Amino acid sequence: GQNIDQPTEMTATEGAIVQINCTYQTSGFNGLFWYQQHAGEAPTFLSYNVLDGLEEKGRFSSFLSRSKGYSYLLLKELQMKDSASYLCAVRDSNYQLIWGAGTKLIIKP
Amino acid sequence: IAGITQAPTSQILAAGRRMTLRCTQDMRHNAMYWYRQDLGLGLRLIHYSNTAGTTGKGEVPDGYSVSRANTDDFPLTLASAVPSQTSVYFCASSDSSSTGANVLTFGAGSRLTVL
Repeated sequence: GQNIDQPTEMTATEGAIVQINCTYQTSGFNGLFWYQQHAGEAPTFLSYNVLDGLEEKGRFSSFLSRSKGYSYLLLKELQMKDSASYLCAVRDSNYQLIWGAGTKLIIKP
Repeated sequence: IAGITQAPTSQILAAGRRMTLRCTQDMRHNAMYWYRQDLGLGLRLIHYSNTAGTTGKGEVPDGYSVSRANTDDFPLTLASAVPSQTSVYFCASSDSSSTGANVLTFGAGSRLTVL
């Protein structure tokens, strides 16, 4: 079966750095996505990786290793507004998105 | 503001009743999707439509139906609601293509409680 694993919850301190991991086992691979979802709101797109390596976008970076079935989202200079759930999703060989359950990130002052 | 509008925002429904969740987008996106989100689970695809006039079944289609009469509207109907359909429902759209990111834009969600 297809599976996306990510930690349920993480806690970090304002101003610090946090890495949220995602491992996947899917039928084929056509890209990996990270979305941010604040409580009670819709998910919004953060990043997309289809090739191995690091994609940097401001304070957020996303890394992919296809051979290891692994990705991480790196958040730097954490702000209170970064408190949210972070969803990892993989597009499989049928171009369907398989979603992880999300990682709830709690930022403490 | 371009985006996706869902209605209602929240609804409490008696089991056995029929319910339609509305979804309208103004981005002229080809593809539209309905997901449900339940605590502890990833988003699960209910139905999708790659283009107006076509629909397809997702991972959890039973008990739901959709139609896509035009590009903008993609309503989701529960013919006879059951308590297990209590969930938050998200409509999404994308400018689908066989290459590229094909990023999803989500509506604000409809919280449905079936008693």
